[in-house]
Amino acid sequence: GAVVSQHPSRVICKSGTSVKIECRSLDFQATTMFWYRQFPKKSLMLMATSNEGSKATYEQGVEKDKFLINHASLTLSTLTVTSAHPEDSSFYICSASHGNEQFFGPGTRLTVL
Amino acid sequence: AQSVTQLDSHVSVSEGTPVLLRCNYSSSYSPSLFWYVQHPNKGLQLLLKYTSAATLVKGINGFEAEFKKSETSFHLTKPSAHMSDAAEYFCVVSVKTSYDKVIFGPGTSLSVIP
Repeated sequence: GAVVSQHPSRVICKSGTSVKIECRSLDFQATTMFWYRQFPKKSLMLMATSNEGSKATYEQGVEKDKFLINHASLTLSTLTVTSAHPEDSSFYICSASHGNEQFFGPGTRLTVL
Repeated sequence: AQSVTQLDSHVSVSEGTPVLLRCNYSSSYSPSLFWYVQHPNKGLQLLLKYTSAATLVKGINGFEAEFKKSETSFHLTKPSAHMSDAAEYFCVVSVKTSYDKVIFGPGTSLSVIP
């Protein structure tokens, strides 16, 4: 099946720094990718829809200047958490559309000190 | 608008007994429906999916789900629970309009008692 990778799998950073998370579709092209955030023992919350070659569509309540999304190619979308704070600590998961199915990355655990 | 409701936040069953995890959805379009499982500190694994073909869908590990349009439901079942089934289960609705839209349910935590 289709494979989606995320890098890094785990990152620890200091408050005020920016962190970039990459999401790659390894064996297919994805015009649409999604970014989710998952809090402990909670469901996945859709943050934004990333469209190749155009601006991302953000869900209500998600700060677009805080969570920068770039989808520069058909196999790569990046999420940059700018000026990270401890409350941004979470598990971030991406997915990519292929056919009528979503394929999920393994997730990135962000810890902001 | 699309939404997904999982009626039980937590379900506990004894090993060897049937499992029922309930899911109801709301969608203005013909949806695709999925069940995913997430084990502790692990990624998401697709159990099964409905995409407008057969309404009774069989998945991995003995799970199956039935799409009932009249009840807007897509409940997940398994005849006999195994200890390894203990995990978090998510019902997901996906619609394709001008762009893809994927919505996760709140999840149901399944415990299996030996």
